[in-house]
Amino acid sequence: NAGVTQTPKFQVLKTGQSMTLQCAQDMNHNSMYWYRQDPGMGLRLIYYSASEGTTDKGEVPNGYNVSRLNKREFSLRLESAAPSQTSVYFCASSVTGIGLAEAFFGQGTRLTVV
Amino acid sequence: QKEVEQDPGPLSVPEGAIVSLNCTYSNSAFQYFMWYRQYSRKGPELLMYTYSSGNKEDGRFTAQVDKSSKYISLFIRDSQPSDSATYLCAMRFNKFYFGSGTKLNVKP
Repeated sequence: NAGVTQTPKFQVLKTGQSMTLQCAQDMNHNSMYWYRQDPGMGLRLIYYSASEGTTDKGEVPNGYNVSRLNKREFSLRLESAAPSQTSVYFCASSVTGIGLAEAFFGQGTRLTVV
Repeated sequence: QKEVEQDPGPLSVPEGAIVSLNCTYSNSAFQYFMWYRQYSRKGPELLMYTYSSGNKEDGRFTAQVDKSSKYISLFIRDSQPSDSATYLCAMRFNKFYFGSGTKLNVKP
């Protein structure tokens, strides 16, 4: 059971380059999330999708776009990378609703923008 | 003010010590309180959760919620070097709200 799979695991970009981070889950979850994690800042929500076809901005959406391609896949795109976007990016998924739910995380993508 | 506040540490303790990790929160609508553990270079994983107020025990770990004070705690008894990780508190109402994480180092 793969859970949440992120690709790539590592990436180095030059300022101004674009790239897409891929995420797929095999747990039939409706909700998917993209977070960035920086030292001392914890997990900050970039975008989330409560169901296929819907996306909403989180705490730090500027500079990012997302696509919920289908129920399994949720991609994060950096159109013009900036050094401030150097971070570890985590994709997560969960069931939808206000009750108890566990967020399942991928292994992360370590992105460096030079 | 952030929805969830957590002391980032780091916290360094000797093996066998009792560890106390804490978070405060501002939204009284939160009912589910979780603790995630994140090892270095890995994604966070759910350690345990509690619903509403009270205590929950799982082996060496005890989670405590005080809704009147909007304060949650995680206690680790007889801490082991394998407990060295970052611990994140989290609450959920539609989406997840995470604390910034406390880095714990248990020295042999």
